[in-house]
Amino acid sequence: DQQVKQNSPSLSVQEGRISILNCDYTNSMFDYFLWYKKYPAEGPTFLISISSIKDKNEDGRFTVFLNKSAKHLSLHIVPSQPGDSAVYFCAAHTPAAGNKLTFGGGTRVLVKP
Amino acid sequence: DVKVTQSSRYLVKRTGEKVFLECVQDMDHENMFWYRQDPGLGLRLIYFSYDVKMKEKGDIPEGYSVSREKKERFSLILESASTNQTSMYLCASSLTGVVEKLFFGSGTQLSVL
Repeated sequence: DQQVKQNSPSLSVQEGRISILNCDYTNSMFDYFLWYKKYPAEGPTFLISISSIKDKNEDGRFTVFLNKSAKHLSLHIVPSQPGDSAVYFCAAHTPAAGNKLTFGGGTRVLVKP
Repeated sequence: DVKVTQSSRYLVKRTGEKVFLECVQDMDHENMFWYRQDPGLGLRLIYFSYDVKMKEKGDIPEGYSVSREKKERFSLILESASTNQTSMYLCASSLTGVVEKLFFGSGTQLSVL
């Protein structure tokens, strides 16, 4: 039973437009959410995170929104660039889990020039 | 920069073989993890370790074991490889209490024939 779900396996967007990636979760004990980005032949790298006490966190072109009542978070990339083409994983953390993270299935983003 | 090194980029093994996947990190991290990545399923935790000689099962430990004799090295062992263990294997490490700083290796693509 996947506690973290990314229901869109892929997303195609034109360069300069907004990319919106969605993530849903079921465990109300999650206190911290993260997005990782993965290029082919490389390991995932940390992109941005948000604590459950916030509803928005912004870092340059990347913004993560958290809606706790809906158990939903989203990652906005504005404007999208061809270098953003990658697989994006949503991940979540609970205090009881120590340093373990639970990951979603990933969304492959293709930004067309 | 933290470096997590996985010994092989590609491996091809036969069913029933014993397989060793090696991982070394150079930043004195206490925590080390083994994940597998499969399309649509994201990253699933196999085993993790919080200290030398310490190991705990993740979400999918069946068919795997691990060894951590030294702090910098974490090995994943497939006792008798099966075709359903064909996957991308990712090693990661982190400092205790710093959940967003999970550093991944580049991965080992294992094919079991």
